Formats: sequence, C-alpha cells, structure tokens
Amino acid sequence: NAGVTQTPKFQVLKTGQSMTLQCAQDMNHNSMYWYRQDPGMGLRLIYYSASEGTTDKGEVPNGYNVSRLNKREFSLRLESAAPSQTSVYFCASEGGRELETQYFGPGTRLLVL
Amino acid sequence: GEDVEQSLFLSVREGDSSVINCTYTDSSSTYLYWYKQEPGAGLQLLTYIFSNMDMKQDQRLTVLLNKKDKHLSLRIADTQTGDSAIYFCAEIPYNQGGKLIFGQGTELSVKP
Repeated sequence: NAGVTQTPKFQVLKTGQSMTLQCAQDMNHNSMYWYRQDPGMGLRLIYYSASEGTTDKGEVPNGYNVSRLNKREFSLRLESAAPSQTSVYFCASEGGRELETQYFGPGTRLLVL
Repeated sequence: GEDVEQSLFLSVREGDSSVINCTYTDSSSTYLYWYKQEPGAGLQLLTYIFSNMDMKQDQRLTVLLNKKDKHLSLRIADTQTGDSAIYFCAEIPYNQGGKLIFGQGTELSVKP
C-alpha cells in the first residue's frame, strides 16, 4: 500500500515548455486534489476531483488543466509554463467519510526558468 | 470569504513548550485540523478537534479551541528537535464541498 505517489520528484522547465505531473493513489479514494505550496502562502487548491469523471476549479486554476484518468490517477498539466508557476506541487486524496483526512503525496518541486 | 491566519515563524529551545496559534473566519467547520510538514515531505495529519470541544489532549499535544474568538492553538510539551517542521491549521467550511482551507503554516525551529 503505497498511499499517494507523485512523479516526477523534481523538474526544471524553460518558459513556454509543457509538462504533466502525475499522481496516483491506491486507497480507493473518491476525491483527489492538486495544491501548490509557496513560501508564506500555505497550500492553495488548484483543481480537485470529487469523483471519477468530474473535475472542478479551485482557488488558483489559471495556467493549469487536469485529467481524472480513472479512480486511481489524477494528472496536472502545464501547457505553457511560466516562472510564476515555480512552486512545490502536492497531490492529495480523500475517501469522503466523516473526519476522513486528506492523504498527501511527497510533492513535485518545479522550477521554471 | 474563508480565511485562516497563522504567524510564520516560532523558535523555541529543546525541552520548552511550543504554542502555535491560528485564527479562522468561518465558524461552520465541524472539525479543525493540525497538519505537520517535515522538510522535503508532504503534509500529515497531526491531530484534530471537533468543533463542539474546547480542548483535546493527545500525549504531548494539546489543542485548544475558542469558538467565540475563532482561535485555535496547538501546544507541544517538551519540544524536541524532531518537532522542527511547518505546522498548518486547516478547516473545512460547511459551504466548501469538503475542501480544506489551510493557513500559511508556522515554521517551528527547535534549538538544542
């Protein structure tokens, strides 16, 4: 039982390049989330998926797209990376029961030059 | 709108108590949470408190909730160097569809 896994761990991009961050969970959770973490700003929700086949915008969706490929996988895509997207990206999942906590992946550190 | 505020830094000596404070604006949350983030890692749930409680104790951790003032605190007794981390408070407001709202995080530094 690996929990929530993310790939890659680190990535350096040039402005304008595209990439997809991968996330998978093996806990049979319905809900999955993508956050970005920036110094002094906590975690901000980019997109989330309440169940397979649905996605919704969070607080900071601009410049990102997501795909809930199946119940296990939720990917985040940057179509044209910008330096403002330099951040640490966390994926999380949650089962949906009362007091069910969110389980976080180890993060992807992205630098956009 | 919903807002959760924390101070950014706290430094204590090993063996002292640490108190991390948090204020929130939405009183509809059923639970309030404390998450811990160790260097280079994701967040892990540390403890939580049900909104109809004033206090919860869990070994070295004490959570205090003042609903009138919308103030949440986390006290760590006998702080150890292994407690050095970033601590986030979080809530799930009633009208947010289960989405967590996080504070900015308090970086706790424990000096030997």
